[in-house]
Amino acid sequence: DAGITQSPRHKVTETGTPVTLRCHQTENHRYMYWYRQDPGHGLRLIHYSYGVKDTDKGEVSDGYSVSRSKTEDFLLTLESATSSQTSVYFCAIRTGTADYGGYTFGSGTRLTVV
Amino acid sequence: AQSVTQPDIHITVSEGASLELRCNYSYGATPYLFWYVQSPGQGLQLLLKYFSGDTLVQGIKGFEAEFKRSQSSFNLRKPSVHWSDAAEYFCAVGARNNAGNMLTFGGGTRLMVKP
Repeated sequence: DAGITQSPRHKVTETGTPVTLRCHQTENHRYMYWYRQDPGHGLRLIHYSYGVKDTDKGEVSDGYSVSRSKTEDFLLTLESATSSQTSVYFCAIRTGTADYGGYTFGSGTRLTVV
Repeated sequence: AQSVTQPDIHITVSEGASLELRCNYSYGATPYLFWYVQSPGQGLQLLLKYFSGDTLVQGIKGFEAEFKRSQSSFNLRKPSVHWSDAAEYFCAVGARNNAGNMLTFGGGTRLMVKP
């Protein structure tokens, strides 16, 4: 199984502060994704990466930035956290070589903005 | 752009009863379709997927789903539910020729199982 680790698992932060969430994979998979999960909305794509320094926006990218300086790490940054960004954040990697082949999800980061 | 609707937010069934979770998608061509399950505090696990071919797809844990193009549906079924099936279920669609291979998810259906 592809190893994928998200950190931290839980975080409480204050409005207006910057926050960075980390997704780490132990294999050299090219595609990595950040989703947020909110009740009634399922998972919505924030940003994704298709290689080192190659990233693109998803459906709900406003207020978020990402970076991928090495294959194994994909960072999600909330530049100035707001209460609307309270959510559970999931990282995913695409482990297959074919289209949509094998997605593996991390265990999530629960972020609370107070 | 594609979209997914799961009309039932909550469903409660008795253990041993049959189950059907509904999923409707919107996409201009034949999509890639997926069902994922999420247990509390966990990530998502793939149950099954449809890419092409036989419209009845078998998955893990005894689940199956049927792709019906005329109804734009991909409903998930299980003939006999076990208490361990209590979880949240997500239908997802992927567009063909999507360079990023991003998945679009429905809002989810939370399944509760009565003893």
